[in-house]
Amino acid sequence: DGGITQSPKYLFRKEGQNVTLSCEQNLNHDAMYWYRQDPGQGLRLIYYSQIVNDFQKGDIAEGYSVSREKKESFPLTVTSAQKNPTAFYLCASSIIIGSSYNEQFFGPGTRLTVL
Amino acid sequence: GQQVMQIPQYQHVQEGEDFTTYCNSSTTLSNIQWYKQRPGGHPVFLIQLVKSGEVKKQKRLTFQFGEAKKNSSLHITATQTTDVGTYFCAGGKPGSNYQLIWGAGTKLIIKP
Repeated sequence: DGGITQSPKYLFRKEGQNVTLSCEQNLNHDAMYWYRQDPGQGLRLIYYSQIVNDFQKGDIAEGYSVSREKKESFPLTVTSAQKNPTAFYLCASSIIIGSSYNEQFFGPGTRLTVL
Repeated sequence: GQQVMQIPQYQHVQEGEDFTTYCNSSTTLSNIQWYKQRPGGHPVFLIQLVKSGEVKKQKRLTFQFGEAKKNSSLHITATQTTDVGTYFCAGGKPGSNYQLIWGAGTKLIIKP
């Protein structure tokens, strides 16, 4: 059964702690993305990766870090430098064909609450 | 930075009424994608429009991409309870390595 998994669904952390959110896909997609969603706002891109061992900053990368050591995995670390980390985090993936945009497939999301 | 404005933020309709959401960009887009997010869920792809003036239909849903590729709309005819959710447009940013710029979404609410 192909898809994207994110764990955990809910995560609570104390202020000042780093936390890593996992994202795994078995769709054999080259591109993976991390978005942040806040109430009443659209999705904002944090980081994206088109190939293993390479990734680029999105619009709101400050306070976040990622790695792409395997094609299937794209974990996101929310560091203590992120000023307002409480949010819903969504991971997505897509194929890359030539110069075309393709649909993005989303995981179920992780709701992070920093206390 | 480049933005995609989406209106309205909310739309309350009686079941059976129509629903429309609009997206406008300050600059030309490569393409526009539409997604639906059910309450408590994640965005699910509905459709992509690429050509200037393109119109596509999926049953009761009609999607349009403007002639200048700066605006788009989604129209739902005769809404049903299964249509409830938030509808997002996402525009392709030219020369951006496939980054999408997301609208803030329009939440469709069916009045009881």
